[in-house]
Amino acid sequence: GAGVSQSPSNKVTEKGKDVELRCDPISGHTALYWYRQSLGQGLEFLIYFQGNSAPDKSGLPSDRFSAERTGGSVSTLTIQRTQQEDSAVYLCASSWTSGRGNEQFFGPGTRLTVL
Amino acid sequence: AQKVTQAQTEISVVEKEDVTLDCVYETRDTTYYLFWYKQPPSGELVFLIRRNSFDEQNEISGRYSWNFQKSTSSFNFTITASQVVDSAVYFCALSEPPTSAGNKLTFGGGTRVLVKP
Repeated sequence: GAGVSQSPSNKVTEKGKDVELRCDPISGHTALYWYRQSLGQGLEFLIYFQGNSAPDKSGLPSDRFSAERTGGSVSTLTIQRTQQEDSAVYLCASSWTSGRGNEQFFGPGTRLTVL
Repeated sequence: AQKVTQAQTEISVVEKEDVTLDCVYETRDTTYYLFWYKQPPSGELVFLIRRNSFDEQNEISGRYSWNFQKSTSSFNFTITASQVVDSAVYFCALSEPPTSAGNKLTFGGGTRVLVKP
């Protein structure tokens, strides 16, 4: 079956612009995660969805970051007023549930470059 | 707070050599899972193995094997008879019991493995 897909694969934007990153999880997966991979910070957790709700948004680095998930499927990560430090690869992952030990399946990522 | 440390940043070997990747973790929980993921040049993280904190039995799966030692909080991973296709960045990750952050993974810094022909 299809894996996790993300779009766009690459995004170049100017400082101050807003960007939207999209994630299509594996069909039937109820848990969805966003991570960020950057040279300085490594792989860091951003936010988690169970169904359409995000119980904990404390992983988001600032209030310029927001995310939503609709229909228990597609998720969008929005970054407003982008800054150069937002440049990173944004990875999405999904799993059957949020139960302990469930492996997470990752998408190919969106490489964001803020000029 | 949980923490995962991969002390080796890069390992270079010649094909057919064995490669062992070190991983040390910190957690206050008694129930947790440990994972190894592979990130090839294409960028997509690929799940390799998983071990729960109650099972210290070490196993072998094909050319992969792992050594989980709870007493030293280590979860080392070995690739036997390495191949050029094994060249990638390998991440060790820790997952604790589900919280408001779900089953989030805490990753180590990764170890880049370069297998030369």
